[in-house]
Amino acid sequence: DIVMTQSPSFLPVTPGEPASISCRSSRSLLHSNGHNYLDWYLQKPGQSPQLLLYLVSNRASGVPDRFSGSGSGTDFTLKISRVEAEDVGVYYCMQALQTPPFTFGPGTRVDI
Amino acid sequence: QVQLQESGPGLVKPSQTLSLTCTVSGDSISRGGFYWSWIRQHPGKDLEWIGYIYNTGGTDYNPSLKSRVTISRDTSKNQFSLELSSVTAADTAVYYCARTEVAAGLKRFDNWGQGTLVIVSS
Repeated sequence: DIVMTQSPSFLPVTPGEPASISCRSSRSLLHSNGHNYLDWYLQKPGQSPQLLLYLVSNRASGVPDRFSGSGSGTDFTLKISRVEAEDVGVYYCMQALQTPPFTFGPGTRVDI
Repeated sequence: QVQLQESGPGLVKPSQTLSLTCTVSGDSISRGGFYWSWIRQHPGKDLEWIGYIYNTGGTDYNPSLKSRVTISRDTSKNQFSLELSSVTAADTAVYYCARTEVAAGLKRFDNWGQGTLVIVSS
């Protein structure tokens, strides 16, 4: 299985300031079609996870443009340009290249 | 707007079989381009994909659970179900059902149920 790691595990943030989360995979997530199969999910307190970004940098429906993703191969980054209070929660990266199984990172808790 | 709702017992005894059902509204589980997954979240917050059922009825499972898992469906009720046999305390988790978009080369969980907590205890 592809193993996903994330850093940091906890990220204190300040509203209005930028924030960044790193995700690393044990093998390249680059498909022969040119896409990296790396998604980001956000689990807000008391809620189920929700899709945030797919194929590294594509925002899911309704996701604000302050969220962006970058990276290729084994190293990826989620950035929030200006953190808002509603962004608190646990952020998970997930690989969807070599399935089954899909595998998730351990999560990064973001809190103000 | 697609909605998914998990249901089933919240308490299962060790060695017994965990059974959950996901009822889908706003979409058909037979529609092309989508599979239907079960994912669980242990108390330590780790997410683990259990498996999915295709829109055609085929299945794929996580190899780590494959010997104990069965996912099935009832298209007349637009439901799909999870059975996990020989449970232990390690199977205590919140269980989510989720729609998995697989069209156009995508593989993403675009809609999730609210989740249901299952505790394995005697």
